[in-house]
Amino acid sequence: NAGVTQTPKFRVLKTGQSMTLLCAQDMNHEYMYWYRQDPGMGLRLIHYSVGEGTTAKGEVPDGYNVSRLKKQNFLLGLESAAPSQTSVYFCASSFAGLMNQPQHFGDGTRLSIL
Amino acid sequence: KQEVTQIPAALSVPEGENLVLNCSFTDSAIYNLQWFRQDPGKGLTSLLLIQSSQREQTSGRLNASLDKSSGRSTLYIAASQPGDSATYLCAVSIFGGGSNYKLTFGKGTLLTVNP
Repeated sequence: NAGVTQTPKFRVLKTGQSMTLLCAQDMNHEYMYWYRQDPGMGLRLIHYSVGEGTTAKGEVPDGYNVSRLKKQNFLLGLESAAPSQTSVYFCASSFAGLMNQPQHFGDGTRLSIL
Repeated sequence: KQEVTQIPAALSVPEGENLVLNCSFTDSAIYNLQWFRQDPGKGLTSLLLIQSSQREQTSGRLNASLDKSSGRSTLYIAASQPGDSATYLCAVSIFGGGSNYKLTFGKGTLLTVNP
């Protein structure tokens, strides 16, 4: 019953460093999403994917890149980390959009940029 | 632009009390509305999903209603327990172009149920 697994769970970076957050789901979901959650801002969609090999921009995509090379994995990259990217990042997945199916979330990655 | 508001931001009640959490949204052209629960340091767990054509959904002690025309939803929790303490988030799905749908979240209500 793994569901959605995010790695790492915690990370501290220095400004300008790069890193990749990994999301893996074992539910055979077509859709996957990356959100960030900030105090007072709620959850905001960064990028999403509607299937293997596809990606699309969400509400706050600047400074991030994503890739969906395999159906079960969705990677979020920070090319040059900035303090404004300090946040909790959540990955989610769903079966064929949202019409009848809820999104399933991972436990988050807590990222601090110094 | 769709905006989702949740009132109150925080609520503290004694164990056993029935309570209502409120959610409002500005654009009534939604596809569905979801209520989530978030425990500290954890991700979101979907509690109830109401289709735009439905008026309410029930799961155990939880009942969610939807009035799309007025842009409102309520989450009713009966006989609250300390284990219900968490942040409750409301989210609506909006058409994102093509065949995909995106969620717009409220900022949540932090519920504390005191023994």
